[in-house]
Amino acid sequence: EVQLVESGGDLVQPGGSLRLSCAAAGFTFNRNAMNWVRQAPGKGLEWVSGVSGGGGDRYYADSVKGRFTISRDNSKNSLQLQMSSLTVEDTAIYYCAKSYRGFYYFDSWGPGTLVTVSS
Amino acid sequence: DIQMTQSPSTLSASVGDRVTITCRASQSVTTWLAWYQQTPGKAPGLLIYQASNLESGVSSRFSGSGSGTEFTLTIRDLQPEDFATYYCQQYSAYPLTFGGGTKVEI
Repeated sequence: EVQLVESGGDLVQPGGSLRLSCAAAGFTFNRNAMNWVRQAPGKGLEWVSGVSGGGGDRYYADSVKGRFTISRDNSKNSLQLQMSSLTVEDTAIYYCAKSYRGFYYFDSWGPGTLVTVSS
Repeated sequence: DIQMTQSPSTLSASVGDRVTITCRASQSVTTWLAWYQQTPGKAPGLLIYQASNLESGVSSRFSGSGSGTEFTLTIRDLQPEDFATYYCQQYSAYPLTFGGGTKVEI
């Protein structure tokens, strides 16, 4: 059974930084692209970033490009999102989402971790 | 960016109904289209991928169709557990984009 568990969500001040992690289990991690998808309170889903199985290809939404960095450690079955220059618009639940191999739809999701950006 | 537009945004229905949700893309995504279901307080779950392929374990009451720029998600014989919000998502091009969601309510 696929298991994805996010961690690292917190309350942070505008302009601050935060690092999210996702621990994965139950599948061959390096064979699947991985993603971060967020959902602001009461709003819809927004894809944030994705990384290929080998880690060599990384993709970002325009809203986070230059501020967020996605990475993965295939030796530890772990996905990360380094977030900097945070604004109140980054307040959301952040979901770790597994892609089916190299296809960028999301066949498994973690329960999410809440990031709140507020002074 | 490819814009995804869902309609309606809210849909009122009853148990046993057949409902249809439409998703339109601002340009062709061929069949690189997925559908998700989200209930309050939960993460989304995959229903349909590649426009019409049912994800393993998903009820056959769900079906998807379409190609190019127009897609539909149909739920037949609506059950209490189907009252949720549904999202379409294109994965034809980056950035990946979602529709705004359709809330199916009683």
